[in-house]
Amino acid sequence: RKEVEQDPGPFNVPEGATVAFNCTYSNSASQSFFWYRQDCRKEPKLLMSVYSSGNEDGRFTAQLNRASQYISLLIRDSKLSDSATYLCVVNSSGNTPLVFGKGTRLSVIA
Amino acid sequence: GAGVSQTPSNKVTEKGKYVELRCDPISGHTALYWYRQSLGQGPEFLIYFQGTGAADDSGLPNDRFFAVRPEGSVSTLKIQRTERGDSAVYLCASSLGGATDTQYFGPGTRLTVL
Repeated sequence: RKEVEQDPGPFNVPEGATVAFNCTYSNSASQSFFWYRQDCRKEPKLLMSVYSSGNEDGRFTAQLNRASQYISLLIRDSKLSDSATYLCVVNSSGNTPLVFGKGTRLSVIA
Repeated sequence: GAGVSQTPSNKVTEKGKYVELRCDPISGHTALYWYRQSLGQGPEFLIYFQGTGAADDSGLPNDRFFAVRPEGSVSTLKIQRTERGDSAVYLCASSLGGATDTQYFGPGTRLTVL
């Protein structure tokens, strides 16, 4: 079983739609959780950290459920520029290697 | 300020050859990580340096892979006797080294082994 699992998609949604991605992780010792965004042939970039209480950054909302070992990302009012691969990432403590999921590909269509 | 840089951006080599990939971390970052990303996969950890020492090399797939960071800044990933299966994007990341510090990625080196 992979340590971080995501639905690879692709998710094809129209502009303005709301889309949600889910992720599960197997290591119950994981302490830090992130969503990274990766554009085609580019490096991953941090989109947002995920906190137990849930957090929001503009159109993006992240949720964490430690009991179920489940992380989600919600994107509201999708823009064409949101088209990318979204990587679910965990690590056991801040100064250790990140463990990535395979990523979920999103295409926002005009 | 300057981000993480990696050279070369692309490397094409023949099976059996030796290659070196270089990473220049963000100035002042003590932690440096190497990851490998194959097509359709997320990045996978290879090795992590804290300063000059390899704190964790558990991700290196075999003894053909080696990395150094002699002065605690620039790092070189070395691959001997390359195989076609080594073809991937090799990503370097750095962070300040604290428990909650963000890892910043370089643009990667795309390695193709023919």
